[in-house]
Amino acid sequence: EAQVTQNPRYLITVTGKKLTVTCSQNMNHEYMSWYRQDPGLGLRQIYYSMNVEVTDKGDVPEGYKVSRKEKRNFPLILESPSPNQTSLYFCASSIRQGPNQNTEAFFGQGTRLTVV
Amino acid sequence: GENVEQHPSTLSVQEGDSAVIKCTYSDSASNYFPWYKQELGKRPQLIIDIRSNVGEKKDQRIAVTLNKTAKHFSLHITETQPEDSAVYFCAAIQYSGNYQLIWGAGTKLIIKP
Repeated sequence: EAQVTQNPRYLITVTGKKLTVTCSQNMNHEYMSWYRQDPGLGLRQIYYSMNVEVTDKGDVPEGYKVSRKEKRNFPLILESPSPNQTSLYFCASSIRQGPNQNTEAFFGQGTRLTVV
Repeated sequence: GENVEQHPSTLSVQEGDSAVIKCTYSDSASNYFPWYKQELGKRPQLIIDIRSNVGEKKDQRIAVTLNKTAKHFSLHITETQPEDSAVYFCAAIQYSGNYQLIWGAGTKLIIKP
């Protein structure tokens, strides 16, 4: 089954304790991205990746890191989480995004992160 | 860069009536405009999209219209049903060296029985 899988689904952690949220897709998509969703603010992009070893900052990258060593995986790393990073996080993938090649974004199930 | 504004933030309609959600964008170079539906506790899913070379696209009870001159696009849902209750997001593609989707803040659609 074609899907985007995030883990964990729920996470409660303490300020400053490094964590990683994994994202994996089995559709051979080139484009992957991370979003955070907060009430009244919609979906805000954190980082995105056009392809392996190509990553770029989205609108709210501060406090986050990503890597794209393989096509299928795009982990989100919080080196030193803070309470303002408490949010619902979504990973998404698309075949590609480019000139006249914009395609559907498939989202993971979401990760609800609480930083205390 | 691109800015997408979405209105209203909440929309309540009687079952069977029509619902319209509107979005405006700022970058005249944007050429792809998708709409996503997010049911409570679920992930967003694409319901319809439109490219800048067409003015309207329809899929059963949902339709999207695009006015490039005015830089706005709208989602129309006819004969609304309880299962249409959800949060709807519009988006526009932005090119700034790379391509990224810029999202509206979302509209919570409530269908009253």
